[in-house]
Amino acid sequence: EIVLTQSPGTLSLSPGERATLSCRASQSVSSSYLGWYQQKPGQAPRLLIYGASSRATGIPDRFSGSGSGTDFTLTISRLEPEDFAVYYCQQYGSSPPYTFGQGTKLEIK
Amino acid sequence: EVQLVQSGAEVKKPGESLKISCKGSGYRFTNNWIGWVRQMPGKGLEWMGIIYPGDSDTRYSPSFQGQVTISADKSTSTAYLQWSSLKASDTAMYYCARQPMVRGVMDYWGQGTLVTVSS
Repeated sequence: EIVLTQSPGTLSLSPGERATLSCRASQSVSSSYLGWYQQKPGQAPRLLIYGASSRATGIPDRFSGSGSGTDFTLTISRLEPEDFAVYYCQQYGSSPPYTFGQGTKLEIK
Repeated sequence: EVQLVQSGAEVKKPGESLKISCKGSGYRFTNNWIGWVRQMPGKGLEWMGIIYPGDSDTRYSPSFQGQVTISADKSTSTAYLQWSSLKASDTAMYYCARQPMVRGVMDYWGQGTLVTVSS
């Protein structure tokens, strides 16, 4: 089973700043089968990124994903007030289970 | 429009059985996998398993194998998650989500079903 470790656990930034979230896998994620989700309080998760770098339908271009192998990054270029939430990475490149990271909470500074 | 609508919140006692549902619409239900994800109070997301309604092929996380049963009824475009004997530790929010491929992201999510198990 692939273990995903996200860092930092909490990131405190101000609107307009750039956010960089990290997701590290315990072994290589094949074919960059890595996704990112956003979850706001009381809501279901929402898909942001798939295939490590492709934005899902309707996702603003301030969200971008990069990386390969064991190291992946979600970048939010200029934070909007609605971007403060919890972010999860997920790998789906090996046999199930398709594990999630433990999450990064992005909070307003 | 793709929609997944889950059944309502449940309050159960330890040892009771439960089956919650997830009804898909706006897409071809039989050609997409449906997955289930657990979120315990204040915690992160845990991938439980997936089912392909077209032929009921089911894959479980080892952590949930034998603890729950995932099923689907393609005639009603509904997937199910069931327990035969609930424990207090099953208290959580449960989400269903569409997963277009067996190795794929979860692109559309249900609203969640809160299951509370308490004596």
